[in-house]
Amino acid sequence: GAGVSQSPRYKVAKRGQDVALRCDPISGHVSLFWYQQALGQGPEFLTYFQNEAQLDKSGLPSDRFFAERPEGSVSTLKIQRTQQEDSAVYLCASGASGIYNEQFFGPGTRLTVL
Amino acid sequence: DQQVKQNSPSLSVQEGRISILNCDYTNSMFDYFLWYKKYPAEGPTFLISISSIKDKNEDGRFTVFLNKSAKHLSLHIVPSQPGDSAVYFCAASESGGSQGNLIFGKGTKLSVKP
Repeated sequence: GAGVSQSPRYKVAKRGQDVALRCDPISGHVSLFWYQQALGQGPEFLTYFQNEAQLDKSGLPSDRFFAERPEGSVSTLKIQRTQQEDSAVYLCASGASGIYNEQFFGPGTRLTVL
Repeated sequence: DQQVKQNSPSLSVQEGRISILNCDYTNSMFDYFLWYKKYPAEGPTFLISISSIKDKNEDGRFTVFLNKSAKHLSLHIVPSQPGDSAVYFCAASESGGSQGNLIFGKGTKLSVKP
């Protein structure tokens, strides 16, 4: 497919479990972003990659959150020891390099922590 | 403190009429603004953007207006169609978004009634 894909689409975790969320960006897109969207809110920035380099992780809420993009393509967002407040939709977006930053979003992974 | 505000959580419009969605921002460093449309269980879809050097950008039925002095932008949809019913997010970035992250408002749910 031509768009951004994410898996799984839905994830239910017990509190304390570790989860891994995958993002496949649009082929050739240099930039990759992760956002967290809580219910009734807009997406909030978590972290940004340019190719394999994580250039900004200022939005990660705690050290339980970790993201990687080792080969500059697929990215994984890992949450360790999940807590109820981690329940949200996690959105991945990719963009081509350039001055103006139009980002293309995937469908998101809805994480529910029980 | 929200940097991008969409003060109307919802808007209802008759088919064929104009829909006007509003957005205010506080950060004067923002220089690129985007509107995204989101259907349930899907990721946000890019709709239209405007850079701070312009005050209007038009694409078919969609026009975005930017008033920098008032730190206000609006999205006009003319004529509105039932398929336009979705949540609309306003987003902004600094320095053309070269670093990447978008700051989103909370969204406005538009309902277009036949």
